[in-house]
Amino acid sequence: DIQMTQSPSTLSASVGDRVTITCRASQSISNWLAWYQQKPGKAPNLLIYRASNLDSGVPSRFSGSGSGTEFTLTISSLQPDDFATYYCQQYDSYSPYTFGQGTKLEIK
Amino acid sequence: QITLKESGPTLVKPTQTLTLTCTFSGFSLTTSGVGVGWIRQPPGKALEWLALIYWDDDKRYSPSLKSRLTITKDTSKNQVVLTMTNMDPVDTATYYCAHGGAIFDYWGQGTLVTVSS
Repeated sequence: DIQMTQSPSTLSASVGDRVTITCRASQSISNWLAWYQQKPGKAPNLLIYRASNLDSGVPSRFSGSGSGTEFTLTISSLQPDDFATYYCQQYDSYSPYTFGQGTKLEIK
Repeated sequence: QITLKESGPTLVKPTQTLTLTCTFSGFSLTTSGVGVGWIRQPPGKALEWLALIYWDDDKRYSPSLKSRLTITKDTSKNQVVLTMTNMDPVDTATYYCAHGGAIFDYWGQGTLVTVSS
């Protein structure tokens, strides 16, 4: 299986901050990486696919980058609605299509 | 408008078989490229990808759970069914179905399944 490791596990930040979450793959996955946002008690919501493509309706303050084994999700200016848990998912190799362990973004 | 909804038992006993149904609307599982998958999430833990079925009946399973999982579709009813055998308390989780080929752009609300005697 391809392992996906996110860092940090928890991130404390304030409204207006710029934050970055990292996701590393145990082997190269080209740019076959997605990011999801999940709020408590809700299903995940797709934010980004193919590492850097914003899904429809996702605010432009979200951006993704990376290829190969290292990827980042950046929120340029945190809004109150952004405090949630974020997951990456690889879909390069059906090994299966593994998720990272999540990064919880908390209010400082 | 794409919607999905999971249904099934909320409580199962250890060793029993779990059967979950995903009923969807707004798309057809006969359309090329379309898939429906199952993902679960134990309380307070991360997402775990379980299984996926494509429009052409291609099926994919998590290798670690493959021996226990079966995914099927009924295109006339717009349903996808997941069965998981030999349930254990560690299988307690919210189970989601979702639309997508490899990534999931529409999700059901999830259903919490508790495994306990």
